[in-house]
This record gives sequence, C-alpha cells and structure tokens, in this order.
Amino acid sequence: QQQVRQSSQSLTVWEGETAILNCSYENSAFDYFPWYQQFPGEGPALLIAIRSVSDKKEDGRFTIFFNKREKNLSLHIKDSQPGDSATYFCAATSSGQKLVFGQGTILKVYL
Amino acid sequence: GPKVLQIPSHQIIDMGQMVTLNCDPVSNHLYFYWYKQILGQQMEFLVNFYNGKVMEKSKLFKDQFSVERPDGSYFTLKIQPTALEDSAVYFCASSFRRNQDTQYFGPGTRLLVL
Repeated sequence: QQQVRQSSQSLTVWEGETAILNCSYENSAFDYFPWYQQFPGEGPALLIAIRSVSDKKEDGRFTIFFNKREKNLSLHIKDSQPGDSATYFCAATSSGQKLVFGQGTILKVYL
Repeated sequence: GPKVLQIPSHQIIDMGQMVTLNCDPVSNHLYFYWYKQILGQQMEFLVNFYNGKVMEKSKLFKDQFSVERPDGSYFTLKIQPTALEDSAVYFCASSFRRNQDTQYFGPGTRLLVL
C-alpha cells in the first residue's frame, strides 16, 4: 500500500501564483518529512524539510505546513517561477534510515 | 552543496549479465543508500549500508543484489545475474548521520537490461 501519497500527479500554475502541493501519510511513526525537487535527468535535491514537532517551516519562497493529527502536509511555493517547473517528491522517514517517497507531482509554471 | 557522483550515467546490458553500479558519496558521510526508480514511478528504497554492513534492505533487494564499499572507495551495487525487471534508474545517496539527516542524491545510473 502507498505509505506516502501525493494527491496530484501534475499541477499547472501561472508565473507569480502560489503553487500548493499536497501530501499525506499513513505511518504515525514518521517524524521527518523532506521535500525533494527533481529536474529531468538529474537526481532529487533536498528543497526543504520539516520535523514532526513543528507545524510550519519556511525557507524563502518555500513553506511546509504540517498537520500531525490529520497526517498531511503541504508545500507552498510562493511567486512561482518557470524555473520551479520540476517534479516534487514528498518523502517521510522514522528515525532515519530509509526514505519513503510519494509518487511525485509534476509542476509546470507558465509565463 | 555536497555532491554524490555516480558512474556510469547509462548502462545497457544483456539479461543474465552482471553489472556493477558505482557511487562516490560525499567525503565525510557515513551512511549510504541505494534507491530504484522505474520510469514515471516513485523512488523506492533498496538498501542502506553503514560501517561495512547492510543495515536494512527492502523486498526489492533480491538475492541477486549485493553492496559493498571496500576500503572507503566506491560504494557499489552489483546485480548478478540481471533480469529484465531490473531496468530502472538507480540512485545512490549518502548522509552524515542517520536520524533526521539530509540524504544527498547522485544523478542516477540509467540501467537498461535487454
């Protein structure tokens, strides 16, 4: 079964809009949630991450909102740029070791 | 940021042959990982490795798979013999610590088994 689920396979926004990517998980033991950004032909690169003790993490234009009770989180990308067009993976882990990835959301930002 | 290198970037081999995928992790990292990504699907954990030992492996890590890092050189994933379903992109990752630590990924090796 899917332990980490991303609600949208793809998302399209216009430049300057806020893109919202949603993720949910099943395992209550997950305590660390990184978001990775992947461009075609490259490996995933860490964008931003949150620990389960927090409900919000902000880094520049990127913000994670985390709801432990509902077991979901979202990545908000403010002022989206065409260069943000990529695949975004939500991931989760409990006490390190392996990352469990969602299936990814392909974000397209149009001019 | 820290770089993980993978060699080769692409590999095409015949079913039944052996293949070795090489990973050069970040220099001071202690934990090493392999993940598998089939085209259009999510990345899935294969194995992690610390202090010369496999710490955890998934059901995707078949008996034909093995990993090692002899004398601090490349961290390798060997598949012997290969099967058609092994065609995928294999990503290596490394981290300094285990718990809640950033895993840095390489660019992947695209393996095609014919």
